[in-house]
Amino acid sequence: DADVTQTPRNRITKTGKRIMLECSQTKGHDRMYWYRQDPGLGLQLIYYSFDVKDINKGEISDGYSVSRQAQAKFSLSLESAIPNQTALYFCATSDSWSTDTQYFGPGTRLTVL
Amino acid sequence: AQKVTQAQTEISVVEKEDVTLDCVYETRDTTYYLFWYKQPPSGELVFLIRRNSFDEQNEISGRYSWNFQKSTSSFNFTITASQVVDSAVYFCALSDPALTGTASKLTFGTGTRLQVTL
Repeated sequence: DADVTQTPRNRITKTGKRIMLECSQTKGHDRMYWYRQDPGLGLQLIYYSFDVKDINKGEISDGYSVSRQAQAKFSLSLESAIPNQTALYFCATSDSWSTDTQYFGPGTRLTVL
Repeated sequence: AQKVTQAQTEISVVEKEDVTLDCVYETRDTTYYLFWYKQPPSGELVFLIRRNSFDEQNEISGRYSWNFQKSTSSFNFTITASQVVDSAVYFCALSDPALTGTASKLTFGTGTRLQVTL
């Protein structure tokens, strides 16, 4: 089984809809992250969480919100989706007690029409 | 501010050729970490290597090797005898704990797409 899972893997939605992307990990890592990737660009950090009670904004948090329901779960919400949020979204985890290297989930491809 | 530049947008080689992917970074501090990730056509991001700024030894792992040179702020990645399965987008990333407070906040380059053909 994969250590970091994301659901759904693909989603098509309409402008104005609320959508939630979910991330779960079995790696036992304390830190979790959400990134988006646009064609031809690197990854941009949306939000990150260093533990269950710690949530921080990244470079591009506008239009997004997150929830860290448990150490193993970190959800990303788009309250009112817009077309320029069409992108590939990645969840990642890292272990602050180890090398703090980030390990990524398989990604969620989101299309907003 | 931190910055990672991967000037090669796309590289095409024929199988068995050697290929080097360039990565140049900017940071103000002396303690930092550099990473390479691979994104194959299937889309996932695969961790390849992590290097800290105090370790300038070159790293070799099978057909992969990495050359870290602080003097030129570069962390280049070479694939020897490339194979079709090496076709992917490769990302270089930088973490500067002095600026970010943690080794895990990454600044990514824009990636280099490597196409290996028969």
